[in-house]
Amino acid sequence: EPEVTQTPSHQVTQMGQEVILRCVPISNHLYFYWYRQILGQKVEFLVSFYNNEISEKSEIFDDQFSVERPDGSNFTLKIRSTKLEDSAMYFCASGQGGGKLFFGSGTQLSVL
Amino acid sequence: GQQLNQSPQSMFIQEGEDVSMNCTSSSIFNTWLWYKQEPGEGPVLLIALYKAGELTSNGRLTAQFGITRKDSFLNISASIPSDVGIYFCAGQLQGGSEKLVFGKGTKLTVNP
Repeated sequence: EPEVTQTPSHQVTQMGQEVILRCVPISNHLYFYWYRQILGQKVEFLVSFYNNEISEKSEIFDDQFSVERPDGSNFTLKIRSTKLEDSAMYFCASGQGGGKLFFGSGTQLSVL
Repeated sequence: GQQLNQSPQSMFIQEGEDVSMNCTSSSIFNTWLWYKQEPGEGPVLLIALYKAGELTSNGRLTAQFGITRKDSFLNISASIPSDVGIYFCAGQLQGGSEKLVFGKGTKLTVNP
């Protein structure tokens, strides 16, 4: 069964460093998303991407964040200068539209 | 921002019991979805609902899209130990947004 894959599963970084989180969405999906979940809290929307551009973003997704689909299969989230409060589980998701999203297993980001 | 009020926050039940949880909002949704999350994993889609009043089953799980389009419930019948996890409702708002808004989750514990 097709699935969304994310790498790495864990990322530890120093405050101020740049990180890139990687995702391979399900191949025939057209909509791509990043969400995050701070420990014990709900899943929060960051950004959606469709037709090679950002279609929607939340207040969390400020200038320190960017997304890219560098080729036909990968979808990345970059945080330019990480802060302590960026520590969270980051989930990539993909879908065909209509709200049905499939999530990856996540990247646990720890900023020290 | 849009809020989904999910209740109860947690449930402790005996194996074999039925479970019910629900989500309400002041906003109208086009789609309601129910996800299950286990520790260290991403949310896994259980049921998707697309029409007001729709009642859909997936094995022992049954979910309904409220008539007002502002609420949904999930029932689990004859619970088993592997039902343990956090159940999230999520909705796609009316108005064309592709993002999902998540509830805060219901943590289910099943005692054998």
